[in-house]
Amino acid sequence: GAVVSQHPSRVICKSGTSVKIECRSLDFQATTMFWYRQFPKKSLMLMATSNEGSKATYEQGVEKDKFLINHASLTLSTLTVTSAHPEDSSFYICSARGSGRVLDTYNEQFFGPGTRLTVL
Amino acid sequence: RKEVEQDPGPFNVPEGATVAFNCTYSNSASQSFFWYRQDCRKEPKLLMSVYSSGNEDGRFTAQLNRASQYISLLIRDSKLSDSATYLCVVTVDDKIIFGKGTRLHILP
Repeated sequence: GAVVSQHPSRVICKSGTSVKIECRSLDFQATTMFWYRQFPKKSLMLMATSNEGSKATYEQGVEKDKFLINHASLTLSTLTVTSAHPEDSSFYICSARGSGRVLDTYNEQFFGPGTRLTVL
Repeated sequence: RKEVEQDPGPFNVPEGATVAFNCTYSNSASQSFFWYRQDCRKEPKLLMSVYSSGNEDGRFTAQLNRASQYISLLIRDSKLSDSATYLCVVTVDDKIIFGKGTRLHILP
């Protein structure tokens, strides 16, 4: 399957700082990228959907000013957690979806390995 | 009714046995269906897409029943390495909906 990388894999930061997480599609162009967070033993929760070159669409209850998403190119999306607090500690996972011409099946998502964020 | 529902389990199954679980969806306009596998503290990985005609990949068989609005996953000759959480994913237009997952434990 297609490869999606995520960086960093783990980050520990102090409360009040901002953290940027990168998501890259390595071997295909991702027209749409998704950002999820997952708490221990819980399901994935979609935070936002971003399409290249346009503003992200945030799910209800997700603060767009706190979780800044930029999808500047077809292979890169970034999530910045601003003024992080301990309750933002979570596992953040991105996924990417390409066009039907690139991947065999449209709508398949390929996930990055995730970023574990710990805010002290 | 939730958009996508799965039995959370856990399903505790002896090695070598066959196990099946279902996922129901509420929106009849749902278009695409997938099974993902997620290991503890890892990201989900696509296991298989689910086609209208059903599909099989080795020990894994996925079926779609549009009339009753559910998809199923059958695992034959289960291995210890099959222990994971299996996530059902349904798409409607551009909306992608994950089930909460079914935990499977294969017992030696």
